[in-house]
Amino acid sequence: DAGITQSPRHKVTETGTPVTLRCHQTENHRYMYWYRQDPGHGLRLIHYSYGVKDTDKGEVSDGYSVSRSKTEDFLLTLESATSSQTSVYFCAISGTSVSHEQYFGPGTRLTVT
Amino acid sequence: KNEVEQSPQNLTAQEGEFITINCSYSVGISALHWLQQHPGGGIVSLFMLSSGKKKHGRLIATINIQEKHSSLHITASHPRDSAVYICAVTMNYGGATNKLIFGTGTLLAVQP
Repeated sequence: DAGITQSPRHKVTETGTPVTLRCHQTENHRYMYWYRQDPGHGLRLIHYSYGVKDTDKGEVSDGYSVSRSKTEDFLLTLESATSSQTSVYFCAISGTSVSHEQYFGPGTRLTVT
Repeated sequence: KNEVEQSPQNLTAQEGEFITINCSYSVGISALHWLQQHPGGGIVSLFMLSSGKKKHGRLIATINIQEKHSSLHITASHPRDSAVYICAVTMNYGGATNKLIFGTGTLLAVQP
């Protein structure tokens, strides 16, 4: 299994508070991704990174920001959490654009009350 | 209309049955992926293919690029195969990254 961890694994927070989720990899992979998974929608890309300090938006990026200061860490921040951001968040990594295969972290279940 | 459509959305089978899950897509792709997710669990990549057929144990994945269609087959199904099976495609848009577009998944329940 690819070495990907996510923290926290579960979190309950209140509307309006900032929240940061962490993805950590030990594979030295270049590409990292944040997805959210919601019933009826499948996985949707929030943000991705193609290198240290290189990030770009995905299809559902509103209300989220990311940072990647080191190859191994990709942080997802909910600037002011809303109930619509209650979801399961998955991080994924990929080595090269040629291989395309992505490896997923275990997920973080976030509940915004 | 979603760019990646799976069918059926839900499937119940008896142990030992041959199972087929279908995936159709409407965009140009460079690769197609089949993923597995057990209830409450993480997501595991089963196959990545861009042509032809791949086999791993009791699982077989095929793709027809001309018809923009892929199938995932499970032979001699077992209750431990119960999971959500997700089809995803890597769009062939010439970018430097390999963003995936996902189907909504097929929930498979295999009964003993």
